[in-house]
Amino acid sequence: ELKVEQNPLFLSMQEGKNYTIYCNYSTTSDRLYWYRQDPGKSLESLFVLLSNGAVKQEGRLMASLDTKARLSTLHITAAVHDLSATYFCAGSGTYKYIFGTGTRLKVLA
Amino acid sequence: NAGVTQTPKFRVLKTGQSMTLLCAQDMNHEYMYWYRQDPGMGLRLIHYSVGEGTTAKGEVPDGYNVSRLKKQNFLLGLESAAPSQTSVYFCASSFANRGRKTQYFGPGTRLLVL
Repeated sequence: ELKVEQNPLFLSMQEGKNYTIYCNYSTTSDRLYWYRQDPGKSLESLFVLLSNGAVKQEGRLMASLDTKARLSTLHITAAVHDLSATYFCAGSGTYKYIFGTGTRLKVLA
Repeated sequence: NAGVTQTPKFRVLKTGQSMTLLCAQDMNHEYMYWYRQDPGMGLRLIHYSVGEGTTAKGEVPDGYNVSRLKKQNFLLGLESAAPSQTSVYFCASSFANRGRKTQYFGPGTRLLVL
């Protein structure tokens, strides 16, 4: 059964700094997803990673996938306050999606 | 397109009462899902459907029932609400096609069971 673990659970960082969120999964996952959730809001899709070595970038966020290590990373470059949110990774099988517990990111001015 | 909509947005129930949450999508998605989100727990899958007339259990199905009589609608029922069912409920949908399986989420329903 697929299990997904994220770390850290909480992340407080200064504006302008870089950091990485890690997502480990236990068995083969069809693909790997990253979502963003603002407080009191729904989830917004950020990235879908399909294959080993996949890298996707949007603004200050870059996601990568290493299927051999069963690891995905979400790298934040030169953080700004607007990136403060909770970030979830999720793996998928044929039908189901399994979510990590989320990383709550707070960017301090 | 409205995307994925959920009704109601917020509800307060007393223990033992019943209710139905409605999820509707207008994107012609085959797959639909119900999740609950609790603090520190991420999203947990309650039930899902891979097509009209089909449903299946997820990680935490106990105390919930679902129906998908029409492709665009997915209903989540609580027959006898319990305080442990206080949560935020999200509906999501996606295409079945392997290359288009990103999930789209509804705005959520906040449920408080007293």
